[in-house]
Formats: sequence, structure tokens, C-alpha cells
Amino acid sequence: KAGVTQTPRYLIKTRGQQVTLSCSPISGHRSVSWYQQTPGQGLQFLFEYFSETQRNKGNFPGRFSGRQFSNSRSEMNVSTLELGDSALYLCASSLLTLNEKLFFGSGTQLSVL
Amino acid sequence: QQQVKQSPQSLIVQKGGISIINCAYENTAFDYFPWYQQFPGKGPALLIAIRPDVSEKKEGRFTISFNKSAKQFSLHIMDSQPGDSATYFCAAIMGNQFYFGTGTSLTVIP
Repeated sequence: KAGVTQTPRYLIKTRGQQVTLSCSPISGHRSVSWYQQTPGQGLQFLFEYFSETQRNKGNFPGRFSGRQFSNSRSEMNVSTLELGDSALYLCASSLLTLNEKLFFGSGTQLSVL
Repeated sequence: QQQVKQSPQSLIVQKGGISIINCAYENTAFDYFPWYQQFPGKGPALLIAIRPDVSEKKEGRFTISFNKSAKQFSLHIMDSQPGDSATYFCAAIMGNQFYFGTGTSLTVIP
């Protein structure tokens, strides 16, 4: 069974640009969640999608958004990039909810210059 | 306010020793407490998890001890091996909110 796939693996952008990250969950998993990991703030929950609907959202500004498609694949978008958005963005999938085993991808390393 | 506090920040243990990482949480509504292991360049991987109706859970060399009244839980790694060298995160989940601890960098010396 293929794991969670995130693309691209690395991304370099400049301030003010926008970026879209992609996540393909494990087949059959319907819950997809996103996380930001930085040395300073650690791991932080961004949001979770289930059945194409955002089910919950962490404490991030509206520049961070996402969506989920009917095949459970998900995208995350960050608009008007800031230097502080440089981070490893992780996607995880699970069968139904967050309080069960999550399977993480290897992440997308975003650098904002 | 940090929902989950994790300590220590780093830990060095001899091979064969016991590694202990502690976490404390604030909100009694949390109902799922997983521990994740992360190697450099990889995403976190679930090690073991516990729910608040259980005081201890053991899987192989890994044990979670859970103290509901103290709002604390800990990870014990028995017979620590160099391959266990990684960063460990505790987490607490409440409904569909997910809070991580700040992480512990474990180094096991051969």
C-alpha cells in the first residue's frame, strides 16, 4: 500500500508570491490534515479536511487555505508569502478522524526568500 | 497558552538504558494521546497511543504511562538502542483539534 505522497519535496518562493502544495493520502483514507513544522514553533495543526469539507482549523491566518477533492487528495495554498512561512509542511491521512492512527508524508520544505 | 508541555528538550542515554520523556496537558477534554517518532527528513510516525480510560499501555519496548489526575503522560523506551535516536513528540487531541508538544531530541550512545 502506497504511503502519503506530498509534492513537491522542496520549493523556493519569494515574499508576496503564493504557493500550492499537494497531498495524496493513503487509498481509502478520507481524513487529510495539514501541519506546519518550524524550529521555533514546532509542529502546529493547520486544518483538517473530510469529505471535501474543512472540518476544523488551527490558529493560522486566512492566507493559509486548503481544499479536498472527491478522491480525498488535498491541496494547501498559502497566499502573499512572508519570510516566516518558511517551514516544513506536513500532510497526514487517516481513515476517518484525527484521534486514530495518522500516517504522515515526508513533507514539503518551503523556503521564502 | 501552550496546551501540551514536553520535557526534556534533549536526552542522551546509553545503549540498553531507559529513556523517559514527559508531557503535561491543560485541558481535561483531551481524549487521545499519541506519541510520534520523527527521523531527519521524514514525517512523524505513530509509535504508540493511549486514551484516558487506561493508565498504561505497552507495545514492545515502548510504554505510555498516563496519570489522569495529574494531567501528565510519559513515554518510556526500554533497552534503548542507537536506532531509537530521533525526535519524539507527544500530542493531545480534543475533538478535531490537534496539539503537539515541543519535541525531545533523543540520542542513544552505543
